[in-house]
Amino acid sequence: GAVVSQHPSWVICKSGTSVKIECRSLDFQATTMFWYRQFPKQSLMLMATSNEGSKATYEQGVEKDKFLINHASLTLSTLTVTSAHPEDSSFYICSARDLTDLYGYTFGSGTRLTVV
Amino acid sequence: AQSVTQPDIHITVSEGASLELRCNYSYGATPYLFWYVQSPGQGLQLLLKYFSGDTLVQGIKGFEAEFKRSQSSFNLRKPSVHWSDAAEYFCAVGPSRAAGNKLTFGGGTRVLVKP
Repeated sequence: GAVVSQHPSWVICKSGTSVKIECRSLDFQATTMFWYRQFPKQSLMLMATSNEGSKATYEQGVEKDKFLINHASLTLSTLTVTSAHPEDSSFYICSARDLTDLYGYTFGSGTRLTVV
Repeated sequence: AQSVTQPDIHITVSEGASLELRCNYSYGATPYLFWYVQSPGQGLQLLLKYFSGDTLVQGIKGFEAEFKRSQSSFNLRKPSVHWSDAAEYFCAVGPSRAAGNKLTFGGGTRVLVKP
């Protein structure tokens, strides 16, 4: 089955530093990748949608300059949290949509970010 | 606009008992519906999906869901729950011409399994 690898699974960083999270589709090509943020005991909040080779589309209220998204290939998207602050601490999850199965949305295992 | 409502925030069920999780949706056309399960600290795993054909859909781990257009519902069921079914369950709808490629998620239902 389709597999999405998300790395790292957890990261601790100091305030003011940047953190990069990778999302890779291992056995399929992804036309579109999605980045979500999830607060404890809450549902997923879509942050942005990225298509390979083009700029990401951010949801209302999400800071583009803080959450940089790059989708350089059909198998890799990255989310960089710039100048991280404690309020950015959260669980981040990526999802990839299969090029050959438009109803195939596969999720990564998530990244727990803690900013200290 | 498409939306999903999961009326039950928490459900507690005894091991071996049946389970039903409710999902109601709002969608402009024929909906594409999904159920995902999330274990603590993990990503989401697809249980099943529906977009046409038989309204009773079989999924993994013994789960099934029934699409009822007249009730705008897509409830998830399992005849006999195992302790390992304790998790968070999310219903989702999408994609659509109006909302684009994204899925819209319900608020989730947390399932607790009593021994």
